[in-house]
Amino acid sequence: QKEVEQNSGPLSVPEGAIASLNCTYSDRGSQSFFWYRQYSGKSPELIMFIYSNGDKEDGRFTAQLNKASQYVSLLIRDSQPSDSATYLCAVKGGNKLVFGAGTILRVKS
Amino acid sequence: KAGVTQTPRYLIKTRGQQVTLSCSPISGHRSVSWYQQTPGQGLQFLFEYFSETQRNKGNFPGRFSGRQFSNSRSEMNVSTLELGDSALYLCASSLGAQGVYGYTFGSGTRLTVV
Repeated sequence: QKEVEQNSGPLSVPEGAIASLNCTYSDRGSQSFFWYRQYSGKSPELIMFIYSNGDKEDGRFTAQLNKASQYVSLLIRDSQPSDSATYLCAVKGGNKLVFGAGTILRVKS
Repeated sequence: KAGVTQTPRYLIKTRGQQVTLSCSPISGHRSVSWYQQTPGQGLQFLFEYFSETQRNKGNFPGRFSGRQFSNSRSEMNVSTLELGDSALYLCASSLGAQGVYGYTFGSGTRLTVV
């Protein structure tokens, strides 16, 4: 079992819709959770981090964490074509930040 | 405020050679992590340094090594290069020891082994 799992996609949504990206992790001791966005040919860019169960909102982005289910999600409201990228879920346990393989998001105008 | 700086941006090496990559973290950041990114394997953790000490190491052979200097700059070295070492090598820095505010990545060094 991979430490951090994501659906590779591609996930296609129309412009203006809500995109929902999901991630599960195996280490119950994980304490910090991050979402990164990576455009083709670029390095990952931090979008959000979350530590506590529940929702955390930042603009059009909402991160959701459920530690009991070992599940993290990212919602993107009012999706724009510029949101088209690979979204990486990262989980920190101990001194290691482990990344999922990423979900490709395509927003169609 | 300058971001994470990685040098060089591109490298072409021959099998069997060795290579050293450099990373300068954001000013004030003391934690530096290294990752290898390939299309097939995604982002794979290499190692993390904090205050010149390696705190964790990923599942890579001993040919991959690193160090951190007192000014928090870090280098990683790959000896006896293999074709499979061709990848984008990314460095990331964070403010504290636990990276609670996340890690900021540099632009990476693209290594091609021929």
